[in-house]
Amino acid sequence: AQSVTQLDSQVPVFEEAPVELRCNYSSSVSVYLFWYVQYPNQGLQLLLKYLSGSTLVKGINGFEAEFNKSQTSFHLRKPSVHISDTAEYFCAAGSYNTDKLIFGTGTRLQVFP
Amino acid sequence: EAGVAQSPRYKIIEKRQSVAFWCNPISGHATLYWYQQILGQGPKLLIQFQNNGVVDDSQLPKDRFSAERLKGVDSTLKIQPAKLEDSAVYLCASSPGGPPADTQYFGPGTRLTVL
Repeated sequence: AQSVTQLDSQVPVFEEAPVELRCNYSSSVSVYLFWYVQYPNQGLQLLLKYLSGSTLVKGINGFEAEFNKSQTSFHLRKPSVHISDTAEYFCAAGSYNTDKLIFGTGTRLQVFP
Repeated sequence: EAGVAQSPRYKIIEKRQSVAFWCNPISGHATLYWYQQILGQGPKLLIQFQNNGVVDDSQLPKDRFSAERLKGVDSTLKIQPAKLEDSAVYLCASSPGGPPADTQYFGPGTRLTVL
């Protein structure tokens, strides 16, 4: 069965520092990968997605992620975070044999001044 | 373009009572999803509609949960009777086509507290 693992439940970081949020997936077939962000009391918003092609995907708000098939990873990165990036981040995976998105448990990014 | 609308935003009920949530997807979106998000967990798909037909309801507790999508637009999710473990945020999402490749657009959610 397909699964998504977010290795860190919380990531504290100071403003303007770089950050990496880790995501690993398990799938034996072609997979589509997503990162969503959830601000307090709001729904999820798409940051970026990988469907095919270039393994480096750029998203909104300066975020990017790299698809690594050999390591089954899709880590999210930002070179310099802002206070406004404080939120919950969810990695999700889908494939045509399951026809649904499977979400990870989320990583809480806390940016300190 | 208006986003996905949900109501109510918050609901507090006692166990064994019933509750209903409403969702209005983005205009023209064929696929509608209901997710359950328990505190500290990622969203879990409860049911997926394609137009007004059910595509996937394998994780919907059918003894107490029901959902419908009238005329392929608005949708309601009902819980009857509610249990303590149903306390969660219920998210509605919509997409122009279907998963897995299509971007899903989420509403703000309904936070349900069962006492």
